[in-house]
Amino acid sequence: DAKTTQPNSMESNEEEPVHLPCNHSTISGTDYIHWYRQLPSQGPEYVIHGLTSNVNNRMASLAIAEDRKSSTLILHRATLRDAAVYYCILRDWNTGNQFYFGTGTSLTVIP
Amino acid sequence: DTAVSQTPKYLVTQMGNDKSIKCEQNLGHDTMYWYKQDSKKFLKIMFSYNNKELIINETVPNRFSPKSPDKAHLNLHINSLELGDSAVYFCASSQGAGAGANTEAFFGQGTRLTVV
Repeated sequence: DAKTTQPNSMESNEEEPVHLPCNHSTISGTDYIHWYRQLPSQGPEYVIHGLTSNVNNRMASLAIAEDRKSSTLILHRATLRDAAVYYCILRDWNTGNQFYFGTGTSLTVIP
Repeated sequence: DTAVSQTPKYLVTQMGNDKSIKCEQNLGHDTMYWYKQDSKKFLKIMFSYNNKELIINETVPNRFSPKSPDKAHLNLHINSLELGDSAVYFCASSQGAGAGANTEAFFGQGTRLTVV
C-alpha cells in the first residue's frame, strides 16, 4: 500500500486558516486520497476525500497537486474544536478494504 | 442511531482472562475492521472482513480471534489476556474494494481495555 508522510505537529491561531500538508509520492492512479481526524478520546471521523480534483465540503477543502504526489487539507477558520490528529490515507480502488493509518499531524489551535 | 457501536466502552480485566468486544454497524456496509491504538497513539489495523470473509490479518497473535456472524457484526475475542494488550480498540466499517474506496468509513467510539 502506498505510504503518506505528514508533519508530526502544527499550530494555528483560532479563526485563522490552516493548511495541513501530506506527501504521497508513490500514489497510484487508483488511489483515493482520504483525510480523517481523531479528536481527543474519540474514534477517527471522516473529513474529506478526493481523486484528482479539488474538493470542498462543510468541514474543509482538499487541494490535490496536479501530479497527485501531494495534497493539502485546508480548514478555512480553525476553531478550538478542530484540535485533533489529522490523518492522510490512501485507499486503492482495487483493495479498498485495506485502510492503513500513518502517524498523522497533531493540530494545536491557540485561542 | 449510532452508525458503528462497540460494547463495552471500558473493560478492566486480569491477566490470563478471556474477553470479547462486540461491534455492530447499521450502515449496510460490506467491510468491517478492527484497529488497535496503543499508548503511543498509533492506529494499527488488526483485521479486515469483507462479506464475513477475512481479508487482512496483520500478524496479530492467534490469541485474537475475530468472528463475523453476519455482515453487520464483527466481534473480537481475546484469549489469555496479557499486559501488552492494554490499548483502545476501534471497530470501523466501510464499503470495500471498488467503488467503496470512493466512500467514507465510519468508526466506533472505541473500547478501552486495561489488563491488570
